[in-house]
Amino acid sequence: DVQLVESGGGLVQPGGSLRLSCAVSGLTFTNYWMTWVRQAPGKGLEWVANIKEDGSEKYYVDSVKGRFTISRDNAKNSLSLQMNSLRADDTAIYYCARGWLKFDPWGQGTLVTVSS
Amino acid sequence: EIVMTQSPATLSVSPGERVTLSCRASQSVSSNLAWYQQKPGQAPRLLIYGASTRAPGIPARFSGSGSGTEFTLTISSLQSEDFAIYYCQQYNNWPPYTFGQGTKLEIK
Repeated sequence: DVQLVESGGGLVQPGGSLRLSCAVSGLTFTNYWMTWVRQAPGKGLEWVANIKEDGSEKYYVDSVKGRFTISRDNAKNSLSLQMNSLRADDTAIYYCARGWLKFDPWGQGTLVTVSS
Repeated sequence: EIVMTQSPATLSVSPGERVTLSCRASQSVSSNLAWYQQKPGQAPRLLIYGASTRAPGIPARFSGSGSGTEFTLTISSLQSEDFAIYYCQQYNNWPPYTFGQGTKLEIK
């Protein structure tokens, strides 16, 4: 079975940093784009960033450009999201998902709370 | 950025009923549209992609149609496990990929 397991969420003060990880198993990681999607409490889904199979292409939603960095370690089947200069409106559950155009499957998510 | 608009926001239906959810794009997305189901406390699950292709393991009671700017997700006979929030997502013009705001199916 394909499994995606996020970790690294928590409570952070505005302006702080956090690094999320997504451990992937059950698939050939190097064959797939990977994506981060977030969901603010009680709100809808927002695509955040994605990365090509070899890491050579990365894309971001405008609201996180210059603050977030997506990366991957193909040797460890791992996806990461480095989040700097965090703001209150970054508070959300962050999901990693396989895929470039459509996203399937998704991990269970990790909650990031930005608050003083 | 393409704006996706879903209607209605909430739909109250009874088990066994047929239901149709709508999704409209602010400009054509061809058939590059997906539908997801999200149950409380769970991650979204892909139901439909390419506007009408069911993802593996998705029951046949789920069907998608449409192209261009108008799309529908139909559930032919609602089961208790289908009460959830449904999101559409376009992947024709990216970045960014954009989702609709969701339609919540609740029990009447």
